[in-house]
Amino acid sequence: GAGVSQSPSNKVTEKGKDVELRCDPISGHTALYWYRQSLGQGLEFLIYFQGNSAPDKSGLPSDRFSAERTGGSVSTLTIQRTQQEDSAVYLCASSPGLLAVTDTQYFGPGTRLTVL
Amino acid sequence: AQSVSQHNHHVILSEAASLELGCNYSYGGTVNLFWYVQYPGQHLQLLLKYFSGDPLVKGIKGFEAEFIKSKFSFNLRKPSVQWSDTAEYFCAVNGYAGNNRKLIWGLGTSLAVNP
Repeated sequence: GAGVSQSPSNKVTEKGKDVELRCDPISGHTALYWYRQSLGQGLEFLIYFQGNSAPDKSGLPSDRFSAERTGGSVSTLTIQRTQQEDSAVYLCASSPGLLAVTDTQYFGPGTRLTVL
Repeated sequence: AQSVSQHNHHVILSEAASLELGCNYSYGGTVNLFWYVQYPGQHLQLLLKYFSGDPLVKGIKGFEAEFIKSKFSFNLRKPSVQWSDTAEYFCAVNGYAGNNRKLIWGLGTSLAVNP
């Protein structure tokens, strides 16, 4: 079946502009996650959705970052007033989400964001 | 604080050499442990995982990992590497139960296998 898809694959924007990144999870997966991978750093958790609600948004670095999920499926990560330090690869993952004890996250290809 | 430490940042091996990549974690409570791999130009893929039971877990492509609870370790091993194993390897951990689903990641180990 289809895996997690993300769009765009690459995004170049100017400092101060807003960007939207999209994630389509695996069909039927109730849990969805956003991570970011910056140069020289590991993957950082941003936010986790179960259905349309976000029980854990502890990783969002500032109030410029927001995310939503609609219909228990597609999610959008929005970064307002982008800064150069926002440049990173933004990864989305989904998981069946039913049981924490056996949940495995499956990752999309990522969106490479470059802020000039 | 929750953290994952991968000891080797860059590893270079010749084909047929044995591989062991170290991973230690700091996490309160029972954990799930994962190794993910990212081949050049591809996205992250699950290599293997440990949830419970036998601490020696086997994954795809001949990889295995051993969970040693007393050492807070989950080292990845392969007896004989191939050129196609050239990739970035990431160790990750999350909580065993409850709503704590986020993965805590190591910085990754870049493996280069020379033919």
